[in-house]
This record gives sequence, structure tokens and C-alpha cells, in this order.
Amino acid sequence: KQEVTQIPAALSVPEGENLVLNCSFTDSAIYNLQWFRQDPGKGLTSLLLIQSSQREQTSGRLNASLDKSSGRSTLYIAASQPGDSATYLCAVFYNQGGKLIFGQGTELSVKP
Amino acid sequence: GAGVSQSPRYKVAKRGQDVALRCDPISGHVSLFWYQQALGQGPEFLTYFQNEAQLDKSGLPSDRFFAERPEGSVSTLKIQRTQQEDSAVYLCASSGNRVEQYFGPGTRLTVT
Repeated sequence: KQEVTQIPAALSVPEGENLVLNCSFTDSAIYNLQWFRQDPGKGLTSLLLIQSSQREQTSGRLNASLDKSSGRSTLYIAASQPGDSATYLCAVFYNQGGKLIFGQGTELSVKP
Repeated sequence: GAGVSQSPRYKVAKRGQDVALRCDPISGHVSLFWYQQALGQGPEFLTYFQNEAQLDKSGLPSDRFFAERPEGSVSTLKIQRTQQEDSAVYLCASSGNRVEQYFGPGTRLTVT
């Protein structure tokens, strides 16, 4: 069964800290992996998309890595800010079919 | 340009009522997806359309759930005889290439 797991479920850090969110997936034959941000009561905003042939993607203070062979991805957030507080979701896409398979999310709180 | 829109944003239904949730995808996007997100969980796939064809409905939890996209644009997710376990946020996403999905703000359904 294709499953995605995110650890930790919740994380609270002081402003300015660098932090890492983890995502693991059971079936390594992914087409791509995507990290999303979800604010309370809102939809999903795509942060980074990594193709299966790529090892990492960067956008500003965010860096996502992908290790297909071990079934893992990490999202690194540098110099965290209170505005980064949100739920972060990891999702994998397999070429057969069209659905995204999501993890449960990590709820991040950055304290001023 | 306009993103994915969903209506209503909030819906309260009494147990046993029928509800209809609407999704307006990004203009020109051929693929449309519905997901269900329970409180504190990641979204779970319900169904997928390519134009007006429903290619995958494996995620629909019961025969009380029905989705349509008759003209290959707007889609409606209908839930008959709502139950309390149907309470969730229903997310719609559209895609121009099946791979990168853009999400709407969701409809929060509460069944009392």
C-alpha cells in the first residue's frame, strides 16, 4: 500500500531557528514529491515540487531534498519566522493514476 | 489570473440532508480532483476527472458520494443522506498537465 508519513506531527520553535521536517513514503517509484503549506481555514499552497530525477529544490529560505532509494524527503526551513507558522504537508505523485497521496502534516509554530 | 474557487465555503447540514459542493477550476485545466480532509489529517483522494470523464472514483467512501463534471469545466460533489462522519473539508484541485495540482480554499462541511 502506498503510504506517506510525516514526523513530527507538531513542532514549536523560537524565532530564528533552522528546522527540518521529515517525510517518508513506502513505494519509491514516485513521479514527483511536493511540499505544501496550509494555513488554518485555507487551501493548500505549493511550496516546492521535486521531480523523481532531482535531489533537491530551493526557494528562498526553503530547501527540499529527495532520496528516492530510501523513501525519504526533508524540508529545511532556515531562520524561521512567526509567519512560517502553518501546517506543512508532503505529498507524492505516482505516474499511474492521477492522485496525490498526502502525509498527515506537521503543524509548525514559530514563537516570536 | 483566477485560481480554483469553491462554493460554498462553509456548509452546515442536518444529518440525513443532501448537499452539493461546487468547484470552478482554473480556466483551461483539463484535470480536476476532489479530496477529503478530516480534522488534523492530510487530504485523501476521492475522485479524478479528465475533461468530463471520471477516470478514477476509487476514493469515494460510499455510494452516497457522487461527483460530476458534465461539460468538462465546473464540477459538483454531491453527498446524499449526510452522516456525521462526512464532516470534513472538501478540497478541489485542478491541473493543466495532471502532475502539478492547484488547490481551491475548500468547503468546510459540518453535519449536525
